[in-house]
Amino acid sequence: EAGVVQSPRYKIIEKKQPVAFWCNPISGHNTLYWYRQNLGQGPELLIRYENEEAVDDSQLPKDRFSAERLKGVDSTLKIQPAELGDSAVYLCASTGPGYEQYFGPGTRLTVT
Amino acid sequence: ELKVEQNPLFLSMQEGKNYTIYCNYSTTSDRLYWYRQDPGKSLESLFVLLSNGAVKQEGRLMASLDTKARLSTLHITAAVHDLSATYFCAVVKGGADGLTFGKGTHLIIQP
Repeated sequence: EAGVVQSPRYKIIEKKQPVAFWCNPISGHNTLYWYRQNLGQGPELLIRYENEEAVDDSQLPKDRFSAERLKGVDSTLKIQPAELGDSAVYLCASTGPGYEQYFGPGTRLTVT
Repeated sequence: ELKVEQNPLFLSMQEGKNYTIYCNYSTTSDRLYWYRQDPGKSLESLFVLLSNGAVKQEGRLMASLDTKARLSTLHITAAVHDLSATYFCAVVKGGADGLTFGKGTHLIIQP
């Protein structure tokens, strides 16, 4: 069974530029999460989807961050414009009928 | 607000020794997770603890949960170098809520 797929794995951009991350969850997993992990910290939830509906986006900085999961499968997280403080690893995770939450390899973003 | 505290945050130990990592959380939680993260890698699920008194073991790692004390422990028995990693605990209020993580315990096991 394929795991959670994310791309790109690494991204370097200049501040004020836009950037987008893509995630494909495990097949059949209806719940999808985006987390941000700063260096030396645990991941922090940004947004949770149930199918195509964003059911918890309370931690998403909505002035510059947006996300979508149009067909209830893969998802895109966007930052526009990026700031220096956005440098982090962006992790996607999914969960199915059970309790396990499976994480993808992450996208390491560096904003210069 | 749900908060998770781990201690210690850094731990250097010798191979063959035993040690315990502690995870406290602030409010009632449905379940507790332990993850392992190697440098530059993603999170690998170790255990999911669902109920008071739950104990799970895998190799040299054993996790337990005391929901009354809001405390989980991850015990390492006869540590080996390969267990060097950062260990995170995380809790969820309920359902399919997102996880709230601790800051992680950076574990170094020296030969």
